[in-house]
Amino acid sequence: AQSVTQLGSHVSVSEGALVLLRCNYSSSVPPYLFWYVQYPNQGLQLLLKYTSAATLVKGINGFEAEFKKSETSFHLTKPSAHMSDAAEYFCAVSDRGSARQLTFGSGTQLTVLP
Amino acid sequence: NAGVTQTPKFQVLKTGQSMTLQCAQDMNHEYMSWYRQDPGMGLRLIHYSVGAGITDQGEVPNGYNVSRSTTEDFPLRLLSAAPSQTSVYFCASSYHPVGDRRYEQYFGPGTRLTVT
Repeated sequence: AQSVTQLGSHVSVSEGALVLLRCNYSSSVPPYLFWYVQYPNQGLQLLLKYTSAATLVKGINGFEAEFKKSETSFHLTKPSAHMSDAAEYFCAVSDRGSARQLTFGSGTQLTVLP
Repeated sequence: NAGVTQTPKFQVLKTGQSMTLQCAQDMNHEYMSWYRQDPGMGLRLIHYSVGAGITDQGEVPNGYNVSRSTTEDFPLRLLSAAPSQTSVYFCASSYHPVGDRRYEQYFGPGTRLTVT
């Protein structure tokens, strides 16, 4: 069974600082990996995905993530935080046989301080 | 396109009551799914459907029923509501038969359910 661990349920950064949200997965074979963002009282929106092409994946709103098989990680980064980035972020994994069935991490709430 | 729509947005039920959460999509997506979101637990898959007439269980199916009579609609039924079913429910859909985008899921805005 797959699982996803997001380290840090709450992360605070100053506006303009680096954003780093951590995600580690557990899977017997390299899975598909996703980051979703949820703004208050809204549904989830796909930020980016890894599906076995380039290991460095660029997404929307300036976010990117790097798949590291040796570390079983898929951390999300953004060089410079903006106030509008404040939201909850979810890492998700699916196996290649049932790529549409997602297993989510518990989420990381990002706060951006002025 | 309206995308994925869910009704109602909010609902309060008493223990033992039944109700149906509605989900519809106008993107001709074959795959649809229901998740529940609880604090500190992320989203967990309840049921999913790969096409009209085909449904299957996810991680937490107990207490819920689904059916898929049309491509557009995927209702979720609570048979006898319990306080443990207090949660936010999200419907999602996807359909891109080939290429990288077939892994993208589109989520509705959610239904916040409270069972007292």
